[in-house]
Amino acid sequence: ETGVTQSPTHLIKTRGQQVTLRCSSQSGHNTVSWYQQALGQGPQFIFQYYREEENGRGNFPPRFSGLQFPNYSSELNVNALELDDSALYLCASSLWGTSYEQYFGPGTRLTVT
Amino acid sequence: AQSVSQHNHHVILSEAASLELGCNYSYGGTVNLFWYVQYPGQHLQLLLKYFSGDPLVKGIKGFEAEFIKSKFSFNLRKPSVQWSDTAEYFCAVLTGGGNKLTFGTGTQLKVEL
Repeated sequence: ETGVTQSPTHLIKTRGQQVTLRCSSQSGHNTVSWYQQALGQGPQFIFQYYREEENGRGNFPPRFSGLQFPNYSSELNVNALELDDSALYLCASSLWGTSYEQYFGPGTRLTVT
Repeated sequence: AQSVSQHNHHVILSEAASLELGCNYSYGGTVNLFWYVQYPGQHLQLLLKYFSGDPLVKGIKGFEAEFIKSKFSFNLRKPSVQWSDTAEYFCAVLTGGGNKLTFGTGTQLKVEL
């Protein structure tokens, strides 16, 4: 069984740039959720994807967008990066209807300078 | 809006001491509650979960938690901690129609030899 993987591990971007983070879900899982974990905080729900569509969104502006592909992998895109976007971005996969069984990836550490 | 409060941000214990980490949530409906752990350099992983039934739930590595509905609490306990329990612990509640995990800010536990 392959776990959740994320790439890249670390990323440094400049304010105003755009970034794409990638996530491969655990084998057999068809739902992907993205979370932002700022330093000293708990993860905050960004959105969830199922059947290639957004299914639920947290309190994040539209410059945070995502995609899910037919193989259930997913991307998180952030446009017009701000300093406050510096955080660990976590991806979690699950089977649709079983969000209580979310398996987390190692995260991508994004630093915006 | 739903929220989760963890009262202890940093806890330092000696090995063999007992542990209790507080967690309170604000949500009036049916709740599904979780404790996650993040060991240094590792993925966020599930310790235990409560859905219904026996309010005392047991998880991995000797951890347990008690759901007290009248107090909106879900405290984590372990009778005797080990050095290997050093980690960050997050309480979470599943909301948003069952697809969104809302996390507390976390408790950093350090166990000293």
